[in-house]
Amino acid sequence: DAGVIQSPRHEVTEMGQEVTLRCKPISGHNSLFWYRQTMMRGLELLIYFNNNVPIDDSGMPEDRFSAKMPNASFSTLKIQPSEPRDSAVYFCASSQAQEKLFFGSGTQLSVL
Amino acid sequence: RKEVEQDPGPFNVPEGATVAFNCTYSNSASQSFFWYRQDCRKEPKLLMSVYSSGNEDGRFTAQLNRASQYISLLIRDSKLSDSATYLCVAPQRGNNDMRFGAGTRLTVKP
Repeated sequence: DAGVIQSPRHEVTEMGQEVTLRCKPISGHNSLFWYRQTMMRGLELLIYFNNNVPIDDSGMPEDRFSAKMPNASFSTLKIQPSEPRDSAVYFCASSQAQEKLFFGSGTQLSVL
Repeated sequence: RKEVEQDPGPFNVPEGATVAFNCTYSNSASQSFFWYRQDCRKEPKLLMSVYSSGNEDGRFTAQLNRASQYISLLIRDSKLSDSATYLCVAPQRGNNDMRFGAGTRLTVKP
C-alpha cells in the first residue's frame, strides 16, 4: 500500500484566495483525521470522519474552514478565504477501528 | 485542562543516557495509548502502543499508570538517532478522538 497520500506537498498562496488540500487514506481504513501543526500550537486535531461521516469538527478554527469526505478514498480540507495565520503544516491521517494512525507527508501551506 | 499534557522539554542528554518522558491524560475512560515519534519536517510515526500495564521494544519501554493517569516512555542507551519530538495520544474509548500532546523534544548529543 502506498500509505496516506496528500497533495499538494507545498502550497503558496495570497491572502484571500481559496485553498484546497487533498487526502487519500489507506485502503480499508475507516477513520480519517485532519490535523494542523504550528510551532505555537503543536499538532491540533481539526476534524475527523468515521465511515465518511464527520464526527467531531470542534477543532475547526472558524467558518472559513470546511472538510468533506465524499467517499472512502478521498477527503478535502478547504480554506476560503485564506489568511496569513492559516500558514502551517496540514496533516491527514487514517486508521482502522481506533487503532494506530498513519500520517501522510503533510501539506506545507504558506499564505502571504 | 487539556486532554493530554506533556513536558515540552527540551531534554538534552548525552549518548548512552537513559531518559524518561511522562504524559498525563485527563479522560479516565481512555483504554489505549500511543507514543509517536516526529522528526523535524516529517510526519509523526507510531513508536509504541500501550494497551495494558506496559510494553517493551528493545531500548524503549512504555508504561501505563491508570491510578495517576499517566503514561511514560523510557529510552535506554540513547542514540544520536533518537533525537526527535515524542508525542503521546490517549483516545477515549468509544470514540476516535485522537488528540495529541504538545510533544517532548529530545536531543541526544555526542
